[in-house]
Amino acid sequence: EVQLLESGGGLVQPGGSLRLSCAASGLSLSTNAMSWVRQAPGKGPEWVSVIATNGYSTYYADSAKGRFTISRDTSKNTLYLQMNSLRAEDTATYYCAKFLEWPDYYFEYWGQGTLVAVSS
Amino acid sequence: QSVLTQPPSVSGAPGQRVTISCTGSSTNIGARYGVHWYQQLPGTAPKLLIYSNTNRPSGVPDRFSGSKSGTSGSLVITGLQAEDDGVYYCQSYDPSLTESVFGGGTRLTVL
Repeated sequence: EVQLLESGGGLVQPGGSLRLSCAASGLSLSTNAMSWVRQAPGKGPEWVSVIATNGYSTYYADSAKGRFTISRDTSKNTLYLQMNSLRAEDTATYYCAKFLEWPDYYFEYWGQGTLVAVSS
Repeated sequence: QSVLTQPPSVSGAPGQRVTISCTGSSTNIGARYGVHWYQQLPGTAPKLLIYSNTNRPSGVPDRFSGSKSGTSGSLVITGLQAEDDGVYYCQSYDPSLTESVFGGGTRLTVL
């Protein structure tokens, strides 16, 4: 059974930083693409970033480019999202998800999410 | 404004059938990219319901089915049950944006 467990969310001031973690079990990060998807309160999901199966190809939504960094530690089977220069509009629940990248692109398994609130 | 367009709400009585539409464009659904559907029950994470237009993951009841035609996809739920009450999102990929894109969601109310 695949389980994804996010942590690291919390309340942070505008301009601050947070690092989110996603501990995976039941699947290996070294053989799967992984993604972060966020959902602002009362809104639909928004894709944030993906790290490809190869581990070095990374992609970001325009809203995350230059501020967020996705990475993984295969020895810990853990996915990360380093978020810098946080803004109020980054307030959302952040989910990690297993991402299928061939032959189609979708999110197969989701974690339970971790809440990030950016406010002074 | 979402790239994919869904009706804000649909409703139906237990046992009835409902259809949720998802309209995209020639750069996403109208291209070779599939339509995928997620169910989000109150207080929970989204869950994959239909992938690549018509396929159900293991464990998803056959009351849920999907289709794609042109630049649109549809989710059909037959034999509505109270536990189907929630929000349903469609998703596809848009290479012109180099992003996975979602619809705004459709709130299903089981009367």
